[in-house]
Amino acid sequence: AQKITQTQPGMFVQEKEAVTLDCTYDTSDQSYGLFWYKQPSSGEMIFLIYQGSYDEQNATEGRYSLNFQKARKSANLVISASQLGDSAMYFCAMRAYWGDTGRRALTFGSGTRLQVQP
Amino acid sequence: ETGVTQTPRHLVMGMTNKKSLKCEQHLGHNAMYWYKQSAKKPLELMFVYSLEERVENNSVPSRFSPECPNSSHLFLHLHTLQPEDSALYLCASSASQQGHGNTIYFGEGSWLTVV
Repeated sequence: AQKITQTQPGMFVQEKEAVTLDCTYDTSDQSYGLFWYKQPSSGEMIFLIYQGSYDEQNATEGRYSLNFQKARKSANLVISASQLGDSAMYFCAMRAYWGDTGRRALTFGSGTRLQVQP
Repeated sequence: ETGVTQTPRHLVMGMTNKKSLKCEQHLGHNAMYWYKQSAKKPLELMFVYSLEERVENNSVPSRFSPECPNSSHLFLHLHTLQPEDSALYLCASSASQQGHGNTIYFGEGSWLTVV
């Protein structure tokens, strides 16, 4: 079974500091993709960063980086130099087989609410 | 602007009403999705369309009926809903349904309240 676990329901960080959001996953697939999304209170799900299971280097996108540790099945998101606009829900997701359909789709974790304090 | 547009953004409907949610993508993608996001629950995948073919997983009640007339448009028809169906409904699209690296892009969502 495919599963994504985010153990931090809420996190606080001071503006301009770095913060790490945890994500662990479980899959029997050899080839898979890991994603992070940001969801502000408006509801839109915004794509942040992607890591493929065969990528040897950690993915980076601006202030976002993904700390990928394959042996530990973790894919933590690191946000550097936090800004007030970073306050939102953050979801870790994995592209995995969907039930018995034989097709792949995104499976999401329960999310972490990040609050950036001035 | 992600290239995926959903209307309406907010909808209030009675349990006996029939309404529809609309989604349009301008990204040239071949796969489209409906997700449901309820309070205190992870996002749930409801339907997948790949090249306009529906992929079922048989866990969605029949009071939700999707329609994909072409690769750019996706509808979710709603009838005789229950109050527990109140949620944020997110539409998404990706270049292809296959492969693990295809990024899925979401719309802004439709907030549905069933009274």
